[in-house]
Amino acid sequence: GAVVSQHPSWVICKSGTSVKIECRSLDFQATTMFWYRQFPKQSLMLMATSNEGSKATYEQGVEKDKFLINHASLTLSTLTVTSAHPEDSSFYICSARDRVDYGYTFGSGTRLTVV
Amino acid sequence: GDSVTQMEGPVTLSEEACLTINCTYTATGYPSLFWYVQYPGEGLQLLLKATKADDKGSNKGFEATYRKETTSFHLEKGSVQVSDSAVYFCALSDRPGNKLVFGAGTILRVKS
Repeated sequence: GAVVSQHPSWVICKSGTSVKIECRSLDFQATTMFWYRQFPKQSLMLMATSNEGSKATYEQGVEKDKFLINHASLTLSTLTVTSAHPEDSSFYICSARDRVDYGYTFGSGTRLTVV
Repeated sequence: GDSVTQMEGPVTLSEEACLTINCTYTATGYPSLFWYVQYPGEGLQLLLKATKADDKGSNKGFEATYRKETTSFHLEKGSVQVSDSAVYFCALSDRPGNKLVFGAGTILRVKS
């Protein structure tokens, strides 16, 4: 079946540094990538939607200059958390939409801890 | 806007007990409905889905029926196993391929 590879699975970084999270669709073309954030014991909150080759659309309240999203190809999207702070610590999950059947495939998530 | 409401957990059951996790939704039009499962430290896996009224999604012994009249999509399983312990999310999309809107999630704990 469809697989989305998300890396890293966990990362610890210092306050003020930037962290890049990658999501790759391994055996299908993802025209759209959704980026979610999940706080402990809570649901997934959509941060932004990115379409290949165009700028991402951010949900209300999400800082686009802080959470940089790039979707340069049909198989790769990246989320960069810039100047990370402890409140950015969370579980980030990507979800790729298949170009053909519009199915959603989720990455395994990235646990970000900012110290 | 669209929204999904799930019963609060955690739900604790003994092995082989029956499971029902309630899910209701608010949406304009005819959304597609989904159940996802999340095991500890992992991403989400699609459990089942239904795309139109009266459709029944099923997988691994789990079932859910799209009830337009009650705007519900309750998840059921006749006999749960310890390995079913996870967090279950109900979700909808207003159109195929559009963003998913998730419920709050329900923790299921199954004891042997």
